[in-house]
Amino acid sequence: AAGVIQSPRHLIKEKRETATLKCYPIPRHDTVYWYQQGPGQDPQFLISFYEKMQSDKGSIPDRFSAQQFSDYHSELNMSSLELGDSALYFCASSLSGVSNQPQHFGDGTRLSIL
Amino acid sequence: AQKITQTQPGMFVQEKEAVTLDCTYDTSDPSYGLFWYKQPSSGEMIFLIYQGSYDQQNATEGRYSLNFQKARKSANLVISASQLGDSAMYFCAMRRRSGGYQKVTFGIGTKLQVIP
Repeated sequence: AAGVIQSPRHLIKEKRETATLKCYPIPRHDTVYWYQQGPGQDPQFLISFYEKMQSDKGSIPDRFSAQQFSDYHSELNMSSLELGDSALYFCASSLSGVSNQPQHFGDGTRLSIL
Repeated sequence: AQKITQTQPGMFVQEKEAVTLDCTYDTSDPSYGLFWYKQPSSGEMIFLIYQGSYDQQNATEGRYSLNFQKARKSANLVISASQLGDSAMYFCAMRRRSGGYQKVTFGIGTKLQVIP
């Protein structure tokens, strides 16, 4: 079965650079979520989209922005990168109308800031 | 605000033994869902099991079962017949609807190590 696809798997950037992470949700899933997971921490919710509209916002810095496109893929744009942005970034998707459906996670993008 | 508490930072279990990972939650919503995810050292998040707040029976998925005690607001994960491949971080998560949208909160996780 198709899963959530994230790219790239690994990304190395320097301070003050920009980065774009991509997410392709499972087909027919209507909700996409972005999470940031620092070393040894639980995933922290950043932002979510329902049917291409932003549905919820968590602890996403102002330097970050995200959007969902007409083909339902989503991108997380990160600017003025800081050392503290080094983390594993997950995208997850789900079908909102079905209560017992979990969020399905991609394999994550590991971002390292030098 | 909803909250998930996992009080065991780390757990050890002997191979082939059963282990219980604790999770308590706090919400005033009558409708919610509880999930457990496994995160091996390779980093991916793997869905294990789901329990709905209105489900009458405890959820089971193979060697995984969820001990759901609604009055105590606990949703403990039980892994039977532990295997070496079960060594991983385990996250409890709760989903509820807020403003018409799904909202999910994770606990801080429990690191399980299976000993041969």
